[in-house]
Amino acid sequence: SAVISQKPSRDICQRGTSLTIQCQVDSQVTMMFWYRQQPGQSLTLIATANQGSEATYESGFVIDKFPISRPNLTFSTLTVSNMSPEDSSIYLCSVTPEMDTEAFFGQGTRLTVV
Amino acid sequence: GQQVMQIPQYQHVQEGEDFTTYCNSSTTLSNIQWYKQRPGGHPVFLIQLVKSGEVKKQKRLTFQFGEAKKNSSLHITATQTTDVGTYFCAGAGGSNYKLTFGKGTLLTVNP
Repeated sequence: SAVISQKPSRDICQRGTSLTIQCQVDSQVTMMFWYRQQPGQSLTLIATANQGSEATYESGFVIDKFPISRPNLTFSTLTVSNMSPEDSSIYLCSVTPEMDTEAFFGQGTRLTVV
Repeated sequence: GQQVMQIPQYQHVQEGEDFTTYCNSSTTLSNIQWYKQRPGGHPVFLIQLVKSGEVKKQKRLTFQFGEAKKNSSLHITATQTTDVGTYFCAGAGGSNYKLTFGKGTLLTVNP
């Protein structure tokens, strides 16, 4: 299993600014995932964060907008850059400690851009 | 790429009624997982199905994986107000750790 501490839990930000979301895992994991979940919608994968290499982004998401750091096997950050109201959403980090097993999620960051 | 369709999008039931949500993948899956997300919460793992035709039960919840490993269902018998939330299926392709989530089914239960 894995316990993930994600912060901040929520924030209200001005457009044009950036917000960095942090996820700390209580055990070492190979891959961490960052998702976006708009209200009432499903989870959309933003990117996969690998330790020691650049993150792998899904179609529609780019590094300049969502830079990711993965300095070690227990920690990752996602930055939402140059925010606009369209970035208002819930952002979730997730880990799957072993391939093809359950995923564990952080508590989520509810972001509102005004 | 892999797509996972899930229906219905919403389901409102009276307490005590049954509920079923269905998932269908565009590709064969190595396994399918089910998650529950309570309002304001994060997704929580319920179960994983791996074998063709597999059926698993958790109290009032019954999970099935199709013979072709492309579809799955979650059935809740005699719903309770504690069952309220969004149920997501998530398919795994097998060669990596990535999951593809269905759109989810929001279940509301009228007491």
